[in-house]
Amino acid sequence: QKEVEQNSGPLSVPEGAIASLNCTYSDRGSQSFFWYRQYSGKSPELIMSIYSNGDKEDGRFTAQLNKASQYVSLLIRDSQPSDSATYLCAVNPWAAGNKLTFGGGTRVLVKP
Amino acid sequence: ETGVTQTPRHLVMGMTNKKSLKCEQHLGHNAMYWYKQSAKKPLELMFVYNFKEQTENNSVPSRFSPECPNSSHLFLHLHTLQPEDSALYLCASSQDTQPQYFGPGTRLTVT
Repeated sequence: QKEVEQNSGPLSVPEGAIASLNCTYSDRGSQSFFWYRQYSGKSPELIMSIYSNGDKEDGRFTAQLNKASQYVSLLIRDSQPSDSATYLCAVNPWAAGNKLTFGGGTRVLVKP
Repeated sequence: ETGVTQTPRHLVMGMTNKKSLKCEQHLGHNAMYWYKQSAKKPLELMFVYNFKEQTENNSVPSRFSPECPNSSHLFLHLHTLQPEDSALYLCASSQDTQPQYFGPGTRLTVT
């Protein structure tokens, strides 16, 4: 079983719709969770951090964490063509110090 | 300069060459990382430095040699690489377990 799993996509979303991305992780003791956006040929860019159960909103992005079910999700509201990218889920497992484990990423395509 | 910078941005090297990648962080962080990203593969952690001491070597071949002279600078020395080492090499930094911030990466091609 992979430590951090994401659907590779592509997730095709009409412009203006909500894109919903999911990530599951295996280490129940994980404490910190991050979403990164990576455009093709570029480096990952941090867009959200979440540490406790529930929702966290930042602009058009909402991160949702459910530690009991071991999943973290990202919602992108009012999707724009500029949101087309690969979204990486990263988890800081228990006792891993400051190391992150990354999922394989979900490719999102927003169609005008 | 702000954030995390990396040089060179692109590098083409032969299998017998020796080259070095440089990373510098301007964020005052105490940890730095090297990652490898190959096509269609997840990010692979290579090395971790905390307070300029190496704390992780993720079974990386010895043809990759990291160096961290201080908490702001990180190098990756490359020698006798293989074509399968062609990838995007990313440097990142963080303050303890806070989020990691990535540099723009070096696109390496080994011929």
